Amino acid sequence: QKEVEQNSGPLSVPEGAIASLNCTYSDRVSQSFFWYRQYSGKSPELIMSIYSNGDKEDGRFTAQLNKASQYVSLLIRDSQPSDSATYLCAVNMFGGSNYKLTFGKGTLLTVNP
Amino acid sequence: DTGVSQDPRHKITKRGQNVTFRCDPISEHNRLYWYRQTLGQGPEFLTYFQNEAQLEKSRLLSDRFSAERPKGSFSTLEIQRTEQGDSAMYLCASSSGGGLLRGEQFFGPGTRLTVL
Repeated sequence: QKEVEQNSGPLSVPEGAIASLNCTYSDRVSQSFFWYRQYSGKSPELIMSIYSNGDKEDGRFTAQLNKASQYVSLLIRDSQPSDSATYLCAVNMFGGSNYKLTFGKGTLLTVNP
Repeated sequence: DTGVSQDPRHKITKRGQNVTFRCDPISEHNRLYWYRQTLGQGPEFLTYFQNEAQLEKSRLLSDRFSAERPKGSFSTLEIQRTEQGDSAMYLCASSSGGGLLRGEQFFGPGTRLTVL
């Protein structure tokens, strides 16, 4: 069983729409959850972190965490063509002081003008 | 620029050669990570330093791989006797000691390795 799973996409949305990206993880002791954006040929860029159940909003981005369901999501409101990228879900699987991250394969998002 | 830096950005080498990559973390960060990313995959953890101590190594890190972080500042990753399967993007990330930011990791631009 994969530890962090994402729908690989591609996910295509029109400009101005809400893009919804989903991620599930296998380890119940996971404590920290992150969303990274990665443009083609570039390195991952941290866009959101979330540690507690519920929603966390930052500008057009909202991260949602449900630890009981082992589910984390990212909503992008008013999607722009510049949001077209691969979105990586990352989880600190084992807690403790290491903080090493386990990544999903990423979801490719395309925002159409 | 106070972000994570990596050098070189690209490296092409022949199979069997040794290569070394360097990472300079964000100056106040005491934790440093190396990851490897291949096409279509997310980054995979290789190794982790807290200050100068290497605290964990992945099973992915064979005996041909070695990493150091002398004096707890920059880090180097060396691959000996490179193989074509080593071709990947090698990513370095750094983070602070936790607290409210609990392990937020910031990545450098990566070193793309091509083994011919």
